[in-house]
Amino acid sequence: DGGITQSPKYLFRKEGQNVTLSCEQNLNHDAMYWYRQDPGQGLRLIYYSQIVNDFQKGDIAEGYSVSREKKESFPLTVTSAQKNPTAFYLCASSIVRTSLGDEQFFGPGTRLTVL
Amino acid sequence: AQSVTQPDIHITVSEGASLELRCNYSYGATPYLFWYVQSPGQGLQLLLKYFSGDTLVQGIKGFEAEFKRSQSSFNLRKPSVHWSDAAEYFCAVGEVGGNNRKLIWGLGTSLAVNP
Repeated sequence: DGGITQSPKYLFRKEGQNVTLSCEQNLNHDAMYWYRQDPGQGLRLIYYSQIVNDFQKGDIAEGYSVSREKKESFPLTVTSAQKNPTAFYLCASSIVRTSLGDEQFFGPGTRLTVL
Repeated sequence: AQSVTQPDIHITVSEGASLELRCNYSYGATPYLFWYVQSPGQGLQLLLKYFSGDTLVQGIKGFEAEFKRSQSSFNLRKPSVHWSDAAEYFCAVGEVGGNNRKLIWGLGTSLAVNP
């Protein structure tokens, strides 16, 4: 089945540690996205990538880093510089077409808790 | 700047009752509009989308939405709600901006269903 996988589902981290969240897709989509979700704040865009080896900052990129070495993979690193990293993290992907607003497909999410 | 407003943070309906979730957008041209649903602790699933053409669009799970340009609205409706419809609902609009492929998200409406 085609889809997006995120691992792990739950992740615990000590303060001061970096942690990497995995996102893999087999939909052959060009674009991939990382969102952070907090209660009552909807989805906030962290980073996105429309092509391999290129990515752009979203609205809340500080304290996060990404890489896009392969089309299928878009890992997110939460660094120790992120002051409040406890949240639910969602990865998404989409086809890049000449039309606008390509629909995004989502993974199941990773819940990160900083202890 | 483009924006999406979901005026109702939380709605409670009785099972079998009709439902309407509101979504208003601010956009300079014809928008691309989406409704997504999220069950607790899960990723988002696309319910329906509007790109062009017929302003009444049908989606999955018995949902429909109507695009009203004059009111800048894209309200989601269901004639008879089931207990399994309890979830968070998000409206989103496709953004214009060069090669931008971002979606602008509303903050969501939480739906509770009374038996």
